[in-house]
Amino acid sequence: SQKIEQNSEALNIQEGKTATLTCNYTNYSPAYLQWYRQDPGRGPVFLLLIRENEKEKRKERLKVTFDTTLKQSLFHITASQPADSATYLCALVEDSNYQLIWGAGTKLIIKP
Amino acid sequence: DVKVTQSSRYLVKRTGEKVFLECVQDMDHENMFWYRQDPGLGLRLIYFSYDVKMKEKGDIPEGYSVSREKKERFSLILESASTNQTSMYLCASNFGQQETQYFGPGTRLLVL
Repeated sequence: SQKIEQNSEALNIQEGKTATLTCNYTNYSPAYLQWYRQDPGRGPVFLLLIRENEKEKRKERLKVTFDTTLKQSLFHITASQPADSATYLCALVEDSNYQLIWGAGTKLIIKP
Repeated sequence: DVKVTQSSRYLVKRTGEKVFLECVQDMDHENMFWYRQDPGLGLRLIYFSYDVKMKEKGDIPEGYSVSREKKERFSLILESASTNQTSMYLCASNFGQQETQYFGPGTRLLVL
């Protein structure tokens, strides 16, 4: 069956360190993958998009990698801050349709 | 800035009631989506629309219907609310196929 998986346990990181979140998928051939941030009681907000032919994408302190052989995307936040605490969702899109297929998200907690 | 608004942030309804959730976007987006979000399950697509008066079923359309009479407005209808429809409902929109999605703030619905 098709699955997209993110670590369901909260990730606790000390302020200033790099936080790394994982998104694994099976039985999909994504055209691209997106990462969103969601704060409690709010809708997700788009952060980064990476295409199947891209290995890495950066935006300020954020970096996303995409390994189609491992079927995995990693999302990194460098020099993490307490304000980075949120739930981070990955979503992929296959070539064939409009829809995003969502992971359940990983809660990130940055401790001062 | 894209703005997606939802008619209510919180809603409490009784079993069997008809419930209307409304979503409005101000960016002339073609596509609009309704999701529900439950802990540990991620976002699940209920219905989407790629044009006025057009609608497509998502992964979990049972118990729901939608209406898109105007491009900027997409309504989700629970014909007869049930307790298992207690959830966070999120509306999203985007311009083209596979583009990033812009979300509203969500409506937290409690069915008693």
